[in-house]
Amino acid sequence: GESVGLHLPTLSVQEGDNSIINCAYSNSASDYFIWYKQESGKGPQFIIDIRSNMDKRQGQRVTVLLNKTVKHLSLQIAATQPGDSAVYFCAEKKVVWGSQGNLIFGKGTKLSVKP
Amino acid sequence: DTAVSQTPKYLVTQMGNDKSIKCEQNLGHDTMYWYKQDSKKFLKIMFSYNNKELIINETVPNRFSPKSPDKAHLNLHINSLELGDSAVYFCASGVDTQYFGPGTRLTVL
Repeated sequence: GESVGLHLPTLSVQEGDNSIINCAYSNSASDYFIWYKQESGKGPQFIIDIRSNMDKRQGQRVTVLLNKTVKHLSLQIAATQPGDSAVYFCAEKKVVWGSQGNLIFGKGTKLSVKP
Repeated sequence: DTAVSQTPKYLVTQMGNDKSIKCEQNLGHDTMYWYKQDSKKFLKIMFSYNNKELIINETVPNRFSPKSPDKAHLNLHINSLELGDSAVYFCASGVDTQYFGPGTRLTVL
């Protein structure tokens, strides 16, 4: 069946280091992927997305890499800051019909940044 | 100027009661959703509405009934609450990029 999962449930990094959060997906037909950040007591917040016709996309301090060959997605955070501490989710879009669909979420990785 | 808002933030109630959660978005999106997040942080789609019409119903018990009075609002009504309904419920809107509300933490005693 379909699943979107994360390799590591927790990740602890030193402030200033780069962070890499990984995600595996199983539906090779998925054409849209997205990363969310969820802080304690808040809703998921959009970070960055990528379509399947790309293999890399950069934002401010964040980069998403997509490897369709091995169905792998990663989020790289440069110069990680204490404010980056949160749970990070990857998600893939499951199309229901036309452009309508829903997001299938992975289990989440908790990122802890040590000062 | 909150994009997606939900009320209430917290809801504590007894088993068997009926409760509602309200959601409003001011992003102009046609599509809205309800997600459930369990104690292990797993997020799962419950419903999707497009322009007030039900698109997705992911095998949710019929005690859960979404209602969309207009495309900016998607409310969730839950009948005969059970202990297993305790979770955080998130409303979202958008087509590809979905924007989430702050969540409603429901505790059933």
